[in-house]
Amino acid sequence: KAGVTQTPRYLIKTRGQQVTLSCSPISGHRSVSWYQQTPGQGLQFLFEYFSETQRNKGNFPGRFSGRQFSNSRSEMNVSTLELGDSALYLCASSPQGRQGASEQFFGPGTRLTVL
Amino acid sequence: EDQVTQSPEALRLQEGESSSLNCSYTVSGLRGLFWYRQDPGKGPEFLFTLYSAGEEKEKERLKATLTKKESFLHITAPKPEDSATYLCAVQAYGNNRLAFGKGNQVVVIP
Repeated sequence: KAGVTQTPRYLIKTRGQQVTLSCSPISGHRSVSWYQQTPGQGLQFLFEYFSETQRNKGNFPGRFSGRQFSNSRSEMNVSTLELGDSALYLCASSPQGRQGASEQFFGPGTRLTVL
Repeated sequence: EDQVTQSPEALRLQEGESSSLNCSYTVSGLRGLFWYRQDPGKGPEFLFTLYSAGEEKEKERLKATLTKKESFLHITAPKPEDSATYLCAVQAYGNNRLAFGKGNQVVVIP
């Protein structure tokens, strides 16, 4: 089975711009979660989508948004970029829908640099 | 709020020198505790899920254990290829989000 794919792998933007990141989950997985990873804060949860609906949201400003399509692919958008948004953005998919804890499988990430 | 604390932050081991990594957690109803391995510039790679106190899981030189307050990742006779950052995360009942610790950075010296 192919793993989680993320595009692009690297991005360089300037302050004030906006950016869209894309994630294709493992085939059959319906839940997609996004995380931000920085050296200071570690991995922090952004949001989760399941069946095209946002199911959970972390403590990030409204500049961070996302969506999920009917084929479970997901995008996240960051508007009005700030220097502090420089980070590795990770997408994770899981087959979650069952009662038990569900492993999340991560993609390689998109490295965003804001200048 | 779910919290995860990992110690030590960094660890240097000689090849063959066994050690343990600690993950302390507080969570409102543990659904699962997860261990991941992350290599530089890559996404986390899933290792184990532990569900209840007393549970143990093994994979090659790694063994994960769980109590009601903490989890340990034991590395037995490590090799240089075990060098990585090991991440611990918890998942609470009611949602799918993972709360991560800051990680244990392990370097194994030949």
